Amino acid sequence: DGGITQSPKYLFRKEGQNVTLSCEQNLNHDAMYWYRQDPGQGLRLIYYSQIVNDFQKGDIAEGYSVSREKKESFPLTVTSAQKNPTAFYLCASREVGGGGRNSPLHFGNGTRLTVT
Amino acid sequence: GDSVTQMEGPVTLSEEAFLTINCTYTATGYPSLFWYVQYPGEGLQLLLKATKADDKGSNKGFEATYRKETTSFHLEKGSVQVSDSAVYFCALSGQTSYDKVIFGPGTSLSVIP
Repeated sequence: DGGITQSPKYLFRKEGQNVTLSCEQNLNHDAMYWYRQDPGQGLRLIYYSQIVNDFQKGDIAEGYSVSREKKESFPLTVTSAQKNPTAFYLCASREVGGGGRNSPLHFGNGTRLTVT
Repeated sequence: GDSVTQMEGPVTLSEEAFLTINCTYTATGYPSLFWYVQYPGEGLQLLLKATKADDKGSNKGFEATYRKETTSFHLEKGSVQVSDSAVYFCALSGQTSYDKVIFGPGTSLSVIP
């Protein structure tokens, strides 16, 4: 079955450490996205990528970094510069081009990061 | 810029009650509209979508109609079940596939037996 795999499901880190969250998709989608979700709140866009080797900042990119070296992979690094990193992180992908604007986002099951 | 507003809840209903979750949007042109559902501890799943005015999206007993004149996309279900307890997000996608997807804040629904 095609889908998006995020790993690990739970991640614990000490303050001051960088941590990388994995996101892999086998849907052959060009576009990939990272969202942050805090308790009782909606989704906020961190970074997105429409094509390999290119990505753009979203609404809350400070303290995060990404890479897009392969179409199927879009890892997110939460750096020590991110002031409140504890959150639920969601990766998503979608088609682009042609009828792509009508295509929905496909989400992984998320990674819950706790930094103490 | 584009935006989505929805009732934030939480909403608590008895089983078999009628559900309405209001969603209104602000956008230039003709966006596509979506409802997503999130069960506890999981990612979001597409529930239904509509891509042009007067389209009705439907799935699993849920329905929503794209109303351009009122810029609304309200979610309805005639008889909710305990298994419908989740958070529901209204979202829009702009005129091109390169536009960002804009989400509302989500509405938490609890259905009690």
